[in-house]
Amino acid sequence: DAGVTQSPTHLIKTRGQQVTLRCSPKSGHDTVSWYQQALGQGPQFIFQYYEEEERQRGNFPDRFSGHQFPNYSSELNVNALLLGDSALYLCASSLAGDSYEQYFGPGTRLTVT
Amino acid sequence: EDQVTQSPEALRLQEGESSSLNCSYTVSGLRGLFWYRQDPGKGPEFLFTLYSAGEEKEKERLKATLTKKESFLHITAPKPEDSATYLCAVQWGTSGSRLTFGEGTQLTVNP
Repeated sequence: DAGVTQSPTHLIKTRGQQVTLRCSPKSGHDTVSWYQQALGQGPQFIFQYYEEEERQRGNFPDRFSGHQFPNYSSELNVNALLLGDSALYLCASSLAGDSYEQYFGPGTRLTVT
Repeated sequence: EDQVTQSPEALRLQEGESSSLNCSYTVSGLRGLFWYRQDPGKGPEFLFTLYSAGEEKEKERLKATLTKKESFLHITAPKPEDSATYLCAVQWGTSGSRLTFGEGTQLTVNP
């Protein structure tokens, strides 16, 4: 049973550029959430997708956008990259509904120079 | 305003020396408290979900408990492979299914 997968593993970008990160959920899951984790801190919720729509959003600017495809996979896009966007980006999948466990992928390490 | 606070920030134990990690929360209407383990550079690994005060769950050397204000992760006779950062997260009130995380406790178990 494949778990949550993310690509790429690592990414280096320059300030002002745009980046796209990808996530495939665990088999059977239909909901994908994205989190940003700065070094030494807990993950911060960016947004959640269900049925190809953004269902919830955290306190992140509009530079952060996403998409969910009919096969439940998801993309996170970040425009106009800032140095402060350097972090580990985590994708988590779950079943729809509250209080279900979220299972995380290995993350994408983004470095903005 | 911190909604989830974990203590201590870091903990060093000798192999076999049992201890507890704390996660306190100030959210209203807790709907679930989650414990995760995270190894350096990896994604968090799910350990437990607790839903109501008084609930306990165990897995190998780990036992999680929940009260109305906090949760404890008890580690019995830890081994070096238990070294990791332990994160707790909550779902609460009108927050939907998003997870609100604490900063984590970095555990090191020396042989």
